[in-house]
Amino acid sequence: ETGVTQTPRHLVMGMTNKKSLKCEQHLGHNAMYWYKQSAKKPLELMFVYNFKEQTENNSVPSRFSPECPNSSHLFLHLHTLQPEDSALYLCASSQDPRPGGTDTQYFGPGTRLTVL
Amino acid sequence: QKEVEQDPGPLSVPEGAIVSLNCTYSNSAFQYFMWYRQYSRKGPELLMYTYSSGNKEDGRFTAQVDKSSKYISLFIRDSQPSDSATYLCAMYYGQNFVFGPGTRLSVLP
Repeated sequence: ETGVTQTPRHLVMGMTNKKSLKCEQHLGHNAMYWYKQSAKKPLELMFVYNFKEQTENNSVPSRFSPECPNSSHLFLHLHTLQPEDSALYLCASSQDPRPGGTDTQYFGPGTRLTVL
Repeated sequence: QKEVEQDPGPLSVPEGAIVSLNCTYSNSAFQYFMWYRQYSRKGPELLMYTYSSGNKEDGRFTAQVDKSSKYISLFIRDSQPSDSATYLCAMYYGQNFVFGPGTRLSVLP
């Protein structure tokens, strides 16, 4: 398997459920990202992990909890979500986002999340 | 003022037309500029990547950056129905990646 993969592709959950999204990258990259994409809005960066260390948390509510056990895997744990959290959640990876780097991000197909 | 602005469209053109997609930005620190294509129900796919001002060509696609005007463009020549997608501009400096909201393009056969 190549590139960036995400599972599940679709998820429907109630507001009291706990679920997890999984991302895996097969590109040998060192940085991984979670984005939220809502209809007609720009991609919203949620979390950045660089060499397994979280370097960015863009004021994301605590009901979203990321986990990066190694540089190839990234999880997003979901708990007591709200209907407005329904969106496409995209994972991305890049080689090295250090300042001055010539980095680009490669995206997975996303998980379409619906919160009832 | 939004950091990156992009006309959301939708933009409809006939097959074979030249398409021009544009973004403006406010932060002069951006140095790297990208265009992504996103098909329905898929993640964004990197199309073009440019550094600083100038033009870059790849097949039917040309990316243009004008840093003095804070304006970037993507041109698609001989557009095809398979080019129908949402096109996202993105720009970057340091660890700061910023995306535009995307322009939805339809190429009609």
